[in-house]
Amino acid sequence: RKEVEQDPGPFNVPEGATVAFNCTYSNSASQSFFWYRQDCRKEPKLLMSVYSSGNEDGRFTAQLNRASQYISLLIRDSKLSDSATYLCVVGASGTYKYIFGTGTRLKVLA
Amino acid sequence: DAGVIQSPRHEVTEMGQEVTLRCKPISGHNSLFWYRQTMMRGLELLIYFNNNVPIDDSGMPEDRFSAKMPNASFSTLKIQPSEPRDSAVYFCASSLMGLNQPQHFGDGTRLSIL
Repeated sequence: RKEVEQDPGPFNVPEGATVAFNCTYSNSASQSFFWYRQDCRKEPKLLMSVYSSGNEDGRFTAQLNRASQYISLLIRDSKLSDSATYLCVVGASGTYKYIFGTGTRLKVLA
Repeated sequence: DAGVIQSPRHEVTEMGQEVTLRCKPISGHNSLFWYRQTMMRGLELLIYFNNNVPIDDSGMPEDRFSAKMPNASFSTLKIQPSEPRDSAVYFCASSLMGLNQPQHFGDGTRLSIL
């Protein structure tokens, strides 16, 4: 089993739709969680950290479910500019290493 | 504020040549990470440093790869000799040391070995 797993997609959604991605992780002792966004031929950029109680940043909501070992990202009112690959990132327990998922590709269609 | 700065942005060279990639982390950050990204394998951690000291190099593919961090503001990743399978995008990232500290990436070096 991979340490961090994501559905590669692509998720094709119309503008204005709500879309959600999940990401599962294998190490129950993991303590740091993030979502990054990567545009084609660009570097990964931090989208948001994921906190135990869940957190929201505008149209984006992140949740952590420790019991089932997954994190989620919800995007409301999708924009064309949201089209990108979304990378799930989990901090390995006891180290400062972060494990990146292979990403979920989102295409928002006009 | 300046972000992570990598050079060169692109490198094309023939197999067998030495390749040196450079990285300047964000000022004040004390952790530095080198990653390699390919379509097949995604983003792989090669090595990371805390306070200029290599902590984990288990991701370095083989002895042809080496990395140094002589001071807090500079790191290099060297491949000698280079092979076509080393072709990838190499990213450097930096962060403050500690839990829940996000990493900030440079623009990457797109490396092609012919």
